[in-house]
Amino acid sequence: DIQMTQSPSSVSASVGDTVTITCRASHDVSTWLAWYQQQPGKAPKFLIYGATSLRSGVPSRFSGSRSGTDFTLTISSLQPEDFATYYCKQATTFPSFGGGTKVEFK
Amino acid sequence: QVQLVESGGGVVQPGRSLRLSCAVSGFTFTRYAMHWVRQAPGKGLEWVAVTSFDESNKYYADSVKGRFTVSRDNSKNMLYLQVNSLRPEDTALYYCARQGDYYGSGSYLDLWGQGTLVTVSS
Repeated sequence: DIQMTQSPSSVSASVGDTVTITCRASHDVSTWLAWYQQQPGKAPKFLIYGATSLRSGVPSRFSGSRSGTDFTLTISSLQPEDFATYYCKQATTFPSFGGGTKVEFK
Repeated sequence: QVQLVESGGGVVQPGRSLRLSCAVSGFTFTRYAMHWVRQAPGKGLEWVAVTSFDESNKYYADSVKGRFTVSRDNSKNMLYLQVNSLRPEDTALYYCARQGDYYGSGSYLDLWGQGTLVTVSS
């Protein structure tokens, strides 16, 4: 099984800040990596695929990067609607999610 | 309207069974692999199972293997999850989700339902 270790578990930020979330895979997943956003009481929303590609319609302030088995989601110029929980997920045949990162108001 | 609507959840005693359903509308169901993902109250997301578009391939998380069975009826645009031998740790909101076909062969879930809640308690 591939384990996804996500950090931090929570981060406090203000509107306009830049937030960085990291995710480490226990084995090589190449670029099979997705990021999802979940608002309280809502279903997850798909943001990024292939580690770095933005899904159509997702604001450009969201970006993803990869270095080996380490992946990063960066949210630049945080907006009020970005306060949510974010999950990475390796997207191989047997997917697995990271533990989530809650972006909270400072 | 493109949507997924889950149903079939409820309160059930340990050891009992349920069948969860996911009604699909607004897109060509037969084109897509479909997944189940669950979320225990206040916890993170856990992938549960996937079926290919034609049921030729099905895969399960270790935590549910042998107890849960995913199936689909392409003539009715329905996805199912038969959950047997339920345990308290299976208590969760169960989502069905579509694996997008635009993003290569990766399991990228681009459409989600709102979930159906399963509570396992005596």
